[in-house]
Amino acid sequence: SYELTQPLSVSVALGQTARITCGGNNIGSKNVHWYQQKPGQAPVLVIYRDSNRPSGIPERFSGSNSGNTATLTISRAQAGDEADYYCQVWDSSTASGVFGGGTKLTVL
Amino acid sequence: EVQLVESGGGLVQPGGSLRLSCAASGFTFSSYWMSWVRQAPGKGLEWVANIKQDGSEKYYVDSVKGRFTISRDNAKNSLYLQMNSLRAEDTAVYYCATQYSSSSAAASWGQGTLVTVSS
Repeated sequence: SYELTQPLSVSVALGQTARITCGGNNIGSKNVHWYQQKPGQAPVLVIYRDSNRPSGIPERFSGSNSGNTATLTISRAQAGDEADYYCQVWDSSTASGVFGGGTKLTVL
Repeated sequence: EVQLVESGGGLVQPGGSLRLSCAASGFTFSSYWMSWVRQAPGKGLEWVANIKQDGSEKYYVDSVKGRFTISRDNAKNSLYLQMNSLRAEDTAVYYCATQYSSSSAAASWGQGTLVTVSS
């Protein structure tokens, strides 16, 4: 089955840029989606199809995907960005969704 | 405004059954794929199943195949998850979510319902 690998944690200084990676075999050939989840809340979609932002998501959130790594970039990080972030793809070979293990973002 | 409200969670013994419901409003339910995603306590997200607009296609994660059944009633704007032969590892918060297609992102989510499988 297809696997997605994320770092357990990422730290970023307030106002700086955070990058969260999502590794998978030839992930560049898949559409990657990213979700933000704050404690006690449901996940929120922040990036879909690699680099598209849903309405209401700040331009500070961006995404890219190439080769074996997809990346969620959060510019000018704010305290309110502290959350768990998950990448997700559809594995067509097994006809199932797959989530990465999640990354905890800490804003220092 | 899209609203998804899950219900039906609770405490059930191993081997037991439970039926989850997701009531949808604020959008044309029959135009969307729908999904169930779960999250075990303190763990990450796990995709469980999804279903096409007319119910003609359904997909499941391997760990629930043969035990869980996803269904929908477009007349009632409702999504369901029938869970049989429950195991301790099925303990999780279960979320329903909307999708544009089987492979698209889960755009809108409910607040979840907790299922606890324990004796």
